[in-house]
Amino acid sequence: DIQMTQSPSSLSASVGDRVTITCQASQDISNYLNWYQQKPGKAPKLLIYDASNLETGVPSRFSGSGSGTDFTFTISSLQPEDIATYYCQQYDNLPPESTFGPGTKVDIK
Amino acid sequence: EVQLVESGGVVVQPGGSLRLSCAASGFTFDDYTMHWVRQAPGKGLEWVSLISWDGGSTYYADSVKGRFTISRDNSKNSLYLQMNSLRTEDTALYYCAKDSASSSWSFDYWGQGTLVTVSS
Repeated sequence: DIQMTQSPSSLSASVGDRVTITCQASQDISNYLNWYQQKPGKAPKLLIYDASNLETGVPSRFSGSGSGTDFTFTISSLQPEDIATYYCQQYDNLPPESTFGPGTKVDIK
Repeated sequence: EVQLVESGGVVVQPGGSLRLSCAASGFTFDDYTMHWVRQAPGKGLEWVSLISWDGGSTYYADSVKGRFTISRDNSKNSLYLQMNSLRTEDTALYYCAKDSASSSWSFDYWGQGTLVTVSS
């Protein structure tokens, strides 16, 4: 099974700061990597799919990059409404399975 | 407007069974693969199962294989999860989620979740 690690597990930043989260897979997953935002008491929301594609309607301050085993998620200018936990998700088709990273909790300093 | 509404979560004893439902609306249900994802209280997300658009293919996480069965009724726009031999570690909020049109395994719509508590 493919294991996912995320770092940091939590961070605190100021409004307007650039925030970067990394996700690492235990083996090559090409670009089969998505990013979600989950606010307390809410269902997750898809932000980035296939490593770098911005989901329709998601603000352009969110971006993703990477391929293979190392991936990065960036908020270019942190806003108060971005307070949430962010999860990466890898997927595979042989056999079909998916694993989420442990999450990164983002707070405002 | 796309809506996914889960139901069926209750408190059940270890070893018991439960059937979750997810009612879908606002999109052509039988065009999409559907998934169940769960989240234990205060924990992260865990993919549970998927079913292809026609129900012909189903897959499960190792943690539920042989105990859970996913199914769908396209005539009723509904997704189901039959859960047998429940364990305390199955306690979680269970979400149904829809595959995105842009990319498989990208879940673009989620329900609000239904809580399953396995406890004696």
